[in-house]
Amino acid sequence: GAVVSQHPSWVICKSGTSVKIECRSLDFQATTMFWYRQFPKQSLMLMATSNEGSKATYEQGVEKDKFLINHASLTLSTLTVTSAHPEDSSFYICSAGVRTYNEQFFGPGTRLTVL
Amino acid sequence: EDQVTQSPEALRLQEGESSSLNCSYTVSGLRGLFWYRQDPGKGPEFLFTLYSAGEEKEKERLKATLTKKESFLHITAPKPEDSATYLCAVQAGGSTLGRLYFGRGTQLTVWP
Repeated sequence: GAVVSQHPSWVICKSGTSVKIECRSLDFQATTMFWYRQFPKQSLMLMATSNEGSKATYEQGVEKDKFLINHASLTLSTLTVTSAHPEDSSFYICSAGVRTYNEQFFGPGTRLTVL
Repeated sequence: EDQVTQSPEALRLQEGESSSLNCSYTVSGLRGLFWYRQDPGKGPEFLFTLYSAGEEKEKERLKATLTKKESFLHITAPKPEDSATYLCAVQAGGSTLGRLYFGRGTQLTVWP
């Protein structure tokens, strides 16, 4: 199957700082990438959908100025959590896919802890 | 509103004891139903996609089936390495590669 990587796998930061998370499709070109967050023992909640070369589409209730998404190429999308606060601590997961194939492949996730 | 409900929330099986996980859904125009496996601290791993009622897919000890209202993931003679959280997700109408709606998952524990 297709491989999606995320970096870093975990990060600890101080309140008020910004954190960037990278999502890469390693062996295919992804037309669409999705960003999810997952709280302990909860399901995955979609935050935004990102298409290469265009602005991300955010889900209702997700602050686009706080969670900046950039999908600059067909293999890379980034999520920047700006001015992070402890309530932003979560497990962030990206997925990637190609529009002609109706499957999404998930990255390994990034554990963010904001102190 | 599109909804996905998985049951049970948690399931403990002895090695070799077969069982089924349930995923019931209400969605406008099902485009696809997906099963994923998620290990602790990791991203979901794709297992199956089902598109129409009556469809079945198998992979090793797992078999997924689909009706118009629900899907079952049957686990035959499970082994401890099958322990994980199994997630069900549905994709509603519209174009391909649309958003997925996830259930909360079933946490499966298989003990020797």
